[in-house]
Amino acid sequence: EPEVTQTPSHQVTQMGQEVILRCVPISNHLYFYWYRQILGQKVEFLVSFYNNEISEKSEIFDDQFSVERPDGSNFTLKIRSTKLEDSAMYFCASKQGVGEEKLFFGSGTQLSVL
Amino acid sequence: DQQVKQNSPSLSVQEGRISILNCDYTNSMFDYFLWYKKYPAEGPTFLISISSIKDKNEDGRFTVFLNKSAKHLSLHIVPSQPGDSAVYFCAASGYSGTYKYIFGTGTRLKVLA
Repeated sequence: EPEVTQTPSHQVTQMGQEVILRCVPISNHLYFYWYRQILGQKVEFLVSFYNNEISEKSEIFDDQFSVERPDGSNFTLKIRSTKLEDSAMYFCASKQGVGEEKLFFGSGTQLSVL
Repeated sequence: DQQVKQNSPSLSVQEGRISILNCDYTNSMFDYFLWYKKYPAEGPTFLISISSIKDKNEDGRFTVFLNKSAKHLSLHIVPSQPGDSAVYFCAASGYSGTYKYIFGTGTRLKVLA
């Protein structure tokens, strides 16, 4: 079965540094998402992306966050100046089309901000 | 604002018995519901879904029931197996321009051999 691929699996960074989390969604999917899960908590929506622009974003997704689909296959999440509270597992997800369809998730990037 | 709630953080069930995981939602605009299974350090894996036009959907050992008037859905696993031990999340979506999926807080299921 096709997979959503995320790299790296673990990222350790110093507070204030920039990080880029990378994702390769399933090739014929058109809708892309980033979610995160702080340890022991629920999976939280960050942002959705369609047709090369942000469709919707949550309160968490402030000016420090940005997303990009630079080359038609990769989908990246950038955090400009990381904070301690950004430490979480970040999941990329994609789905094929509009409507009632399941989201496919990647295996996540564990971000640790020290 | 917690639109999707799973009030039981954990559940233990004997192997071979039925596991029932519950989920409540508050937003009447939700029209599609999904259950995901998650192991530690892995992404959520899709299990089963249901549209608001149905009240039951079955796939092998997994059945999801939807009670729209009560804004409640449940996942039944019969028979439960030790490999089912994981955290289960329900998720809901409705058209808000993007079909954003909102997840519940999860229920940790432990199936005892």
